[in-house]
Amino acid sequence: QSVLTQPPSASGTPGQRVTISCSGSSSNIGSNTVNWYQHLPGTAPKLVIYRNNQRPSGVPDRFSGSKSGTSASLAISGLQSEDEADYYCAAWDDSLNGHVVFGGGTKLTVL
Amino acid sequence: QVQLQESGPGLLKPSETLSLTCTVSRGSISDYYWSWIRQPPGKGLEWIGGIYYTGSANYNPSLKSRVTISVDTSKNQFSLKLSSVTAADTAVYHCARDCLSGYAGEGFDPWGQGTLVTVSS
Repeated sequence: QSVLTQPPSASGTPGQRVTISCSGSSSNIGSNTVNWYQHLPGTAPKLVIYRNNQRPSGVPDRFSGSKSGTSASLAISGLQSEDEADYYCAAWDDSLNGHVVFGGGTKLTVL
Repeated sequence: QVQLQESGPGLLKPSETLSLTCTVSRGSISDYYWSWIRQPPGKGLEWIGGIYYTGSANYNPSLKSRVTISVDTSKNQFSLKLSSVTAADTAVYHCARDCLSGYAGEGFDPWGQGTLVTVSS
């Protein structure tokens, strides 16, 4: 059971906007920033959002992040077939001397 | 562009100790926080632990009793030791750097390509 809760799956058609939620608690999302990863099978995960809503260089502005209280969301607009992947949220957790916690991952399918 | 490369045995027997090294190239290990993350087959990502270049480390509470992470700044490397492995420790193991200098847990970028470690008798 992951500390951060994500829906196991999400889907959308090309051009649509989809959102993926990530729910945590006061010791992680409530106190620290959230980051998001895109993971394709056989490759290293790719950081797409850091510090809640910042995009690393090279990540399209179709990807956006937000945070409110103990929850966060990743939004992908103008959905493209290459966006089909697993998406994970993560955050620092202040409990037990501090550690990183991940969500269980959301499989995004582009229909 | 900094690059990370994991190295170590790919096959272990139950009860042995997993030892992996991450070599950092095209950049310095100083000023950043470095982590180990794994993904068991068919499962999600799990953070194992991380370490500042100064040697200050943090661990996943569920693995803490078995994990040691160390850093060697002279070799630009950091290492993972996981003791008493079982089949449940079979996974692809990645090393990664925090994306922001001086911070921990702000986002991992870049990552090593990962190395599969299989635990089997």
